[in-house]
Amino acid sequence: SYELTQPPSVSVSPGQTARITCSGDALPKQYAYWYQQKPGQAPVLVIYKDSERPSGIPERFSGSSSGTTVTLTISGVQAEDEADYYCQSADSSGTYRDVVFGGGTKLTVL
Amino acid sequence: QVQLVQSGAEVKKPGASVKVSCKASGYTFTSYDINWVRQATGQGLEWMGWMNPNSGNTGYAQKFQGRVTMTRNTSISTAYMELSSLRSEDTAVYYCARGDLDYWGQGTLVTVSS
Repeated sequence: SYELTQPPSVSVSPGQTARITCSGDALPKQYAYWYQQKPGQAPVLVIYKDSERPSGIPERFSGSSSGTTVTLTISGVQAEDEADYYCQSADSSGTYRDVVFGGGTKLTVL
Repeated sequence: QVQLVQSGAEVKKPGASVKVSCKASGYTFTSYDINWVRQATGQGLEWMGWMNPNSGNTGYAQKFQGRVTMTRNTSISTAYMELSSLRSEDTAVYYCARGDLDYWGQGTLVTVSS
């Protein structure tokens, strides 16, 4: 089955830039989405279609794509950004676009 | 504003079934698919399947085929996810999410325990 691979953890100091990667063979053909999840809360969409930011999401969140890797970048990290981040894409090899999630990355703000 | 409000926590015995509801408001219910995603404690997100509220068409992840049924009642803008033959490994928070997963319900904890 199709997989998306994320690093388990990323640590940055406040004000620094955090980059979280997500790798998958189908990423050149399928859009990627990113979700932020804080403890005890539902996930929140922070990036859609590789690099689009939903309304209400701070400008410090951005997304990019290059080949089989997509990257979520958080510029000027704040303490409130500490959370789990999940990438998501689609596996189009079946009869319908099955949703696939990466394993998640825990962002720690030191 | 878009809201998805899910039903409350459930405790079920192994072998039983559970039906979780997801009531949509703030948009046209039939215009967006509803996806279901679950998350075991301390684990990642796991997609279960989708349903088109307009047609009723569904698509299930292979892992859940034969055990999951997704339905809707358009008159009350509510989607349902029923999971049968429950086992302890099904203990998780179950979420509904709209379309491209841009809005999520608050989650429903389902506990399977004898």
